[in-house]
Amino acid sequence: SQQGEEDPQALSIQEGENATMNCSYKTSINNLQWYRQNSGRGLVHLILIRSNEREKHSGRLRVTLDTSKKSSSLLITASRAADTASYFCATDLNNTDKLIFGTGTRLQVFP
Amino acid sequence: GAVVSQHPSWVICKSGTSVKIECRSLDFQATTMFWYRQFPKQSLMLMATSNEGSKATYEQGVEKDKFLINHASLTLSTLTVTSAHPEDSSFYICSGQGLYEQYFGPGTRLTVT
Repeated sequence: SQQGEEDPQALSIQEGENATMNCSYKTSINNLQWYRQNSGRGLVHLILIRSNEREKHSGRLRVTLDTSKKSSSLLITASRAADTASYFCATDLNNTDKLIFGTGTRLQVFP
Repeated sequence: GAVVSQHPSWVICKSGTSVKIECRSLDFQATTMFWYRQFPKQSLMLMATSNEGSKATYEQGVEKDKFLINHASLTLSTLTVTSAHPEDSSFYICSGQGLYEQYFGPGTRLTVT
């Protein structure tokens, strides 16, 4: 399977703490994206990082990309209960528009 | 961002019947749409790529005769699950390819009894 892997599978933290999720993928990419999914809902696009970028910020989100290790991380700072969701990384496949999703991290933020 | 809708949002059907799910791009034209399936607590798995005016291309292991895809216009793709069985119960999500990214619909939960 070309599916990427994420760790941890599940993460529970208190409000105000930081949450870090990691994604590893298998093939060369043009870009990597992170999505959030609330339970039983559709996907919300969070951030896209291109293969020639190493770090990107968006509000409380910080994404890093290491193409030599085929890995990415998503850091959510000062977490809130509303951040409770599943988070998925997704990579493009073989220079196509197809997306291959990682296995996901379920984040629970306790108030 | 651009908006993609799906209809219905949830559906229950009996085993052996067929169910059609619609995916619409509301404020942009999507030459390409994608269909994904997501089982509980699992990730999204790409089922097929739907191209306007041509046949869909299916991922390995996805039965094209069971999951019929039609992309008759630049704003509408449909997925028909034929002769549904309980193991087809899942969350089906579509997306429309925009200029730089895919825009996802809210999903359709299918339960086959």
